[in-house]
Amino acid sequence: SQQGEEDPQALSIQEGENATMNCSYKTSINNLQWYRQNSGRGLVHLILIRSNEREKHSGRLRVTLDTSKKSSSLLITASRAADTASYFCATGANNLFFGTGTRLTVIP
Amino acid sequence: DTAVSQTPKYLVTQMGNDKSIKCEQNLGHDTMYWYKQDSKKFLKIMFSYNNKELIINETVPNRFSPKSPDKAHLNLHINSLELGDSAVYFCASSTPGRELGNTIYFGEGSWLTVV
Repeated sequence: SQQGEEDPQALSIQEGENATMNCSYKTSINNLQWYRQNSGRGLVHLILIRSNEREKHSGRLRVTLDTSKKSSSLLITASRAADTASYFCATGANNLFFGTGTRLTVIP
Repeated sequence: DTAVSQTPKYLVTQMGNDKSIKCEQNLGHDTMYWYKQDSKKFLKIMFSYNNKELIINETVPNRFSPKSPDKAHLNLHINSLELGDSAVYFCASSTPGRELGNTIYFGEGSWLTVV
């Protein structure tokens, strides 16, 4: 299976704290993407990291990729209540295969 | 301007019925998809389709069939609905990007409940 798997399944933090979510995958990849899903909504693309990149930043997001361990992490710094959502990693060239998601709750 | 729109958003129907979910994208993308998300939030690809090729996830029952009247539309038809078909169905689209992979744009989902 090309599916990723996020860890933890659920994470609850106070506003202002950092949130770290991890993703493990099984096959070789060209890139890995992270998506966000607000409750009752569709998924929204956050960031893509290529297999030859180790780290990438976008605003308060920081993504790392370790291809030797087949793992990636998503760090959200200075979290806000509005960051409450589910976060999914996805791999695949043409068709994306998603993990099971991390449900993040940021408490105001 | 909604990029990927799907209707209906909510659908409640009885077992055995046939139903359709429509999807349209105005992004000019080449490829469209249907994903199914179950109650545990597990997201599984059902179909991907572009002008050239329909790729079917072999685990999808043949009661499910995509229909594409044109490049901007990919509708999902479901025959003989079963209780286990209850889920959220997401339409999505993408086009090959300069980077090594597609960024997928999702619709807002269609909540199907089979009773």
